[in-house]
Amino acid sequence: EAGVAQSPRYKIIEKRQSVAFWCNPISGHATLYWYQQILGQGPKLLIQFQNNGVVDDSQLPKDRFSAERLKGVDSTLKIQPAKLEDSAVYLCASSLTGISTDTQYFGPGTRLTVL
Amino acid sequence: AQSVTQLGSHVSVSEGALVLLRCNYSSSVPPYLFWYVQYPNQGLQLLLKYTTGATLVKGINGFEAEFKKSETSFHLTKPSAHMSDAAEYFCAVITGFQKLVFGTGTRLLVSP
Repeated sequence: EAGVAQSPRYKIIEKRQSVAFWCNPISGHATLYWYQQILGQGPKLLIQFQNNGVVDDSQLPKDRFSAERLKGVDSTLKIQPAKLEDSAVYLCASSLTGISTDTQYFGPGTRLTVL
Repeated sequence: AQSVTQLGSHVSVSEGALVLLRCNYSSSVPPYLFWYVQYPNQGLQLLLKYTTGATLVKGINGFEAEFKKSETSFHLTKPSAHMSDAAEYFCAVITGFQKLVFGTGTRLLVSP
């Protein structure tokens, strides 16, 4: 079974530029998550989708971050404009149903450096 | 609010020695607890999880963890460390809002 795919793996941009990340979850998984992992910290949930609807985006900085999951499959996360403090690894994860005991499967992440 | 605290940002062991990574949680409801491992430049992989039932949970790669309610702990152990165990380990808890909250991680260093 193919895992969670993410691209690009690395991205370097100047502050105030925009950037987009792409995620393809495991086939059949209804729930998709985007996490931000700052160096030296654990991942922090940014947004959770159930199919193509948003379940939780309480920690998403909505003035600059946006995300969508079209047709309940692939998802994109966008930052516009980027700030220095957005430098982090952005992890995408998926789970079968989204219930508490479900295992979340993580992709390899996109490492963003904002200069 | 539910949270986890991982004691020690770095733990060093010799190959063949016992691995003990500490995790304490705070939760106002019966917790669901997880241990994930992250190898360099990779995503997180589930090692094991506790939801209900048996308090000693066995996971992959020879790891296990014991849920101790009286101590609010969920420490991760492995009897004999291998060089390939060198990685970052994260303890996590599910909050009342069905959200996975991670600790700050412990980097395990294994020396020959």
